[in-house]
Amino acid sequence: GNSVTQMEGPVTLSEEAFLTINCTYTATGYPSLFWYVQYPGEGLQLLLKATKADDKGSNKGFEATYRKETTSFHLEKGSVQVSDSAVYFCALSDPASGGSYIPTFGRGTSLIVHP
Amino acid sequence: EAGVAQSPRYKIIEKRQSVAFWCNPISGHATLYWYQQILGQGPKLLIQFQNNGVVDDSQLPKDRFSAERLKGVDSTLKIQPAKLEDSAVYLCASSFDLTGGVIAGYTFGSGTRLTVV
Repeated sequence: GNSVTQMEGPVTLSEEAFLTINCTYTATGYPSLFWYVQYPGEGLQLLLKATKADDKGSNKGFEATYRKETTSFHLEKGSVQVSDSAVYFCALSDPASGGSYIPTFGRGTSLIVHP
Repeated sequence: EAGVAQSPRYKIIEKRQSVAFWCNPISGHATLYWYQQILGQGPKLLIQFQNNGVVDDSQLPKDRFSAERLKGVDSTLKIQPAKLEDSAVYLCASSFDLTGGVIAGYTFGSGTRLTVV
């Protein structure tokens, strides 16, 4: 079946540091890939997405590239801010999953940014 | 555009009691999802609706959980009787249709935090 594996957290960084959160996946077909962010006490918000190989999703300074050869979708940001502190979820939605397109989420990676 | 509305935000009940959660998706969104998010884990799908029909409920513990979306708009998720392990955040999400989520992502509500004591 489909699955998403994320690096364990928490990831603790100082402000303006470079961020990488690793995400790898397994899927039956050719999935779309997503990063969601969850701030404390809130629901998940879509951060960025990529729908095919070599696509780069970007938003708010975050980027992730769909790498089919390594089945990866690592999240990066060049300079993090305290306000980026949140839990980040990698997810996939696989059209081959019986036609229901149900998204599968990773366990989440907590990011803590210190001033 | 208004987001996905959920209520209540918090609920504390004793084990063996019943509880219900309500969700109103984004207007015009045909597909609605209920997820269970246990602390420290990613969301796990419980049930998926397309309009007023169930698309997938394979991971819904049907002996105690039920959900309905009678008019194809808002939805209710019920637990009866609750167990301690049901303590979690219950998230509702919606998308324009089955493929809309793949193309544009899913919109989530803020969730209901359930504590069973």
